[in-house]
Formats: sequence, C-alpha cells, structure tokens
Amino acid sequence: GAGVSQSPSNKVTEKGKDVELRCDPISGHTALYWYRQSLGQGLEFLIYFQGNSAPDKSGLPSDRFSAERTGGSVSTLTIQRTQQEDSAVYLCASSRAVGKAYEQYFGPGTRLTVT
Amino acid sequence: SQQGEEDPQALSIQEGENATMNCSYKTSINNLQWYRQNSGRGLVHLILIRSNEREKHSGRLRVTLDTSKKSSSLLITASRAADTASYFCATDKVTGGGNKLTFGTGTQLKVEL
Repeated sequence: GAGVSQSPSNKVTEKGKDVELRCDPISGHTALYWYRQSLGQGLEFLIYFQGNSAPDKSGLPSDRFSAERTGGSVSTLTIQRTQQEDSAVYLCASSRAVGKAYEQYFGPGTRLTVT
Repeated sequence: SQQGEEDPQALSIQEGENATMNCSYKTSINNLQWYRQNSGRGLVHLILIRSNEREKHSGRLRVTLDTSKKSSSLLITASRAADTASYFCATDKVTGGGNKLTFGTGTQLKVEL
C-alpha cells in the first residue's frame, strides 16, 4: 500500500508570506505527527493528532504555527508570516496507535526555504 | 543535553567492518527506536526495543538497551556502502509523552568501498 505522502516536496517563499504543508498518512493510521528538522540537526517534535482527541500542540514554536487534521486523515500544517528561521525540512509521520509501542512511518518531507 | 544523544556524531568505516553507534537518554522510557535517514529526507524505522528487553536482532542489526545506564547501542555488522546514512535513536517517555518520540541529533555513518 501507499506510504505517507507530503506536498509540496519543496517550497520557497518570501519572508512574511503564509505557507501550507500537506500530509497524507497511511490509511487506517489513527495517529499523525509533524516534526521539523533543521540542517544537520535531529527532529524537533511539533504536534500530534490521535483519533478524535485534542491534538498535542506542545511542540509548536510559536502562535504562527497551526495544524489541523480533517476527517481523521489528511493534515495541513500552516505557518503564518514566515520567518527565515522557519527554513527547515518538515516531516510528517503516522502510526497505528498512540500509547503503544508502534513504529512511526515517515513521509519524504517538505523542504521549506524562506528568503 | 537533549533526550536521546548519539555518539559518535560521525563515523567512517570500510565496507565489511562493523559499525557501532551509541545513544544516551535522560528520563525513563517505554521503548527506544532506531531510525535511518538518507539524504536528509524521510526516516525509515529500523528496530524497536522495549524497556523490558535487553537485546534485539534484525538481520545485520543488533540493538542493546541498558535501562540502568539509560543507554542503547546499535551495531551494524558486515557494513555495506548502502548503509551510508544518518542514524537516530528516538525515545518514548513513560509519562506525558504519549507516543511522541524524542529524537537525538544522530550519527552520520559513511561506509567506504
């Protein structure tokens, strides 16, 4: 079956503009995660969704960042008024459940460059 | 220091040699996972070891976990050029973390022909 897909694969935007990043998780996966990876760094957790529960937004770096997950499937990460420090690869992952030892399946990421 | 730190940061070996990477963490965990990343894009899950396990094997991979020392190691035996990648450990905390993984900064492995 299809893996996690993300779009666009690359996005270049001007400082101050808003961007939307999309994630299509694996069908049937109830949990969805967003991470950010700056050049040469590890992954920084941003937000996760599990079923119909309220999302864990504890990793969002500022109120310019928001995410939603419609119908328990596709998720959109929105960054408003982008800044140069937002430049990074944004990775989405999904897994079968939360609270159990399930592996996460990652998408290829969106490379965001803010000029 | 971050939860989940790998060492060394970079490792260069010859094809056929074994590669060992270590990971240390700070808080109690449910499980520890190792992931591989090629070319700075998506991560691929390699192996998961639960907190009550001490060793696990998968093909050429061997993972150990020492919860008393809060450390784990990943051993890749008989390395191949295709193993060249960044390797990350990720921990799932006991409380408050749900299934939110905390990643280290990774070990960059280069396997030369």
